[in-house]
Amino acid sequence: SQQGEEDPQALSIQEGENATMNCSYKTSINNLQWYRQNSGRGLVHLILIRSNEREKHSGRLRVTLDTSKKSSSLLITASRAADTASYFCATDNNNDMRFGAGTRLTVKP
Amino acid sequence: KAGVTQTPRYLIKTRGQQVTLSCSPISGHRSVSWYQQTPGQGLQFLFEYFSETQRNKGNFPGRFSGRQFSNSRSEMNVSTLELGDSALYLCASRQKGLMDNSPLHFGNGTRLTVT
Repeated sequence: SQQGEEDPQALSIQEGENATMNCSYKTSINNLQWYRQNSGRGLVHLILIRSNEREKHSGRLRVTLDTSKKSSSLLITASRAADTASYFCATDNNNDMRFGAGTRLTVKP
Repeated sequence: KAGVTQTPRYLIKTRGQQVTLSCSPISGHRSVSWYQQTPGQGLQFLFEYFSETQRNKGNFPGRFSGRQFSNSRSEMNVSTLELGDSALYLCASRQKGLMDNSPLHFGNGTRLTVT
């Protein structure tokens, strides 16, 4: 069964704009991770945030975590056409990793 | 280091047949997880193996089974295939075990089509 739910399901923006995706989950977690998937390929790990962290940055990515609301957000700044992909959040609870349904991001050149 | 390797890349089977998928994790990774991805259900967790033992299991029928060998390579088997088993099957490995906060490394998957 899935754990996280991403919102929105699909997002279409222009190159240069920022993209924000949200993830809500139900149970306690050790950490939350974000992954990216290009069509028909495997997932690629983007960033991991531990349950005791509130914000983390990696290049153009910014992740926040609010454990009291059981939610996380992924911000991609200055988006590029190459960022077009599906993005998934995954909750890790004692090595039991469950994924949300994903957000399909389209960045138009 | 070589990445996670899944074979075969594509597979076409008929209803009622069985299938075995293979996954070679990154060298040194002892945990291997399997996921089923379909457009309607998203990524569904099948099972996870660590040091040849199944550690976690998702909510799939007994037709889905797996195993892990001493070299950490893993196989999953689906018996009595149904049309609904058509999906992308993804394997992922991670470095250690409990509470290590390490990410999953995915292969490119096996695309199974059941006709």
